[in-house]
Amino acid sequence: AQSVSQHNHHVILSEAASLELGCNYSYGGTVNLFWYVQYPGQHLQLLLKYFSGDPLVKGIKGFEAEFIKSKFSFNLRKPSVQWSDTAEYFCAVNALNSGGYQKVTFGTGTKLQVIP
Amino acid sequence: DGGITQSPKYLFRKEGQNVTLSCEQNLNHDAMYWYRQDPGQGLRLIYYSQIVNDFQKGDIAEGYSVSREKKESFPLTVTSAQKNPTAFYLCASSISTAANQDEAFFGQGTRLTVV
Repeated sequence: AQSVSQHNHHVILSEAASLELGCNYSYGGTVNLFWYVQYPGQHLQLLLKYFSGDPLVKGIKGFEAEFIKSKFSFNLRKPSVQWSDTAEYFCAVNALNSGGYQKVTFGTGTKLQVIP
Repeated sequence: DGGITQSPKYLFRKEGQNVTLSCEQNLNHDAMYWYRQDPGQGLRLIYYSQIVNDFQKGDIAEGYSVSREKKESFPLTVTSAQKNPTAFYLCASSISTAANQDEAFFGQGTRLTVV
């Protein structure tokens, strides 16, 4: 069964600090990987996604993520965070299950708090 | 505007009553999903459906039921058998292809409180 682990549950950073949020998944087959963000009071929205090709993908608002297949990881990064990045971040995996159905599995989320 | 609509935004029910949460999408997506979001547990998959009249149990399906009679609608019923129904419920949809390369789009959620 596919699963996603996010090791950091709550991260507090000062503005301009660099960010890296960890995401590891377990699944033996081909996966597509996503990072979603949920700003306070808003619904989940896509930050970036990896399907194939260049393992370094760039998303909105200066975020990027690197897919390292050998480590089953898809860590999210941003060189310099802003107060407006305060939100909850979710890593997700989309893969076909044994019945041939697409199944999207999410991690437990990381709450990022950026202090001005 | 295209999107996913969940209604109502807030719902209160008495313990022991079944309640149905609505999810409608006009994105022409084949796949639809229901998740439950609890603090510290992220999003857990309840049920998902790839096509009309077909659906699969997710990781925490016990105490829930769904139907998919129309492509655009995927209602979730929280039954009295669900031991801890108070939660935030999210509906999502995506284009469904064999290449499984599709992001999910989310509704704004329904917060269910059972008293």
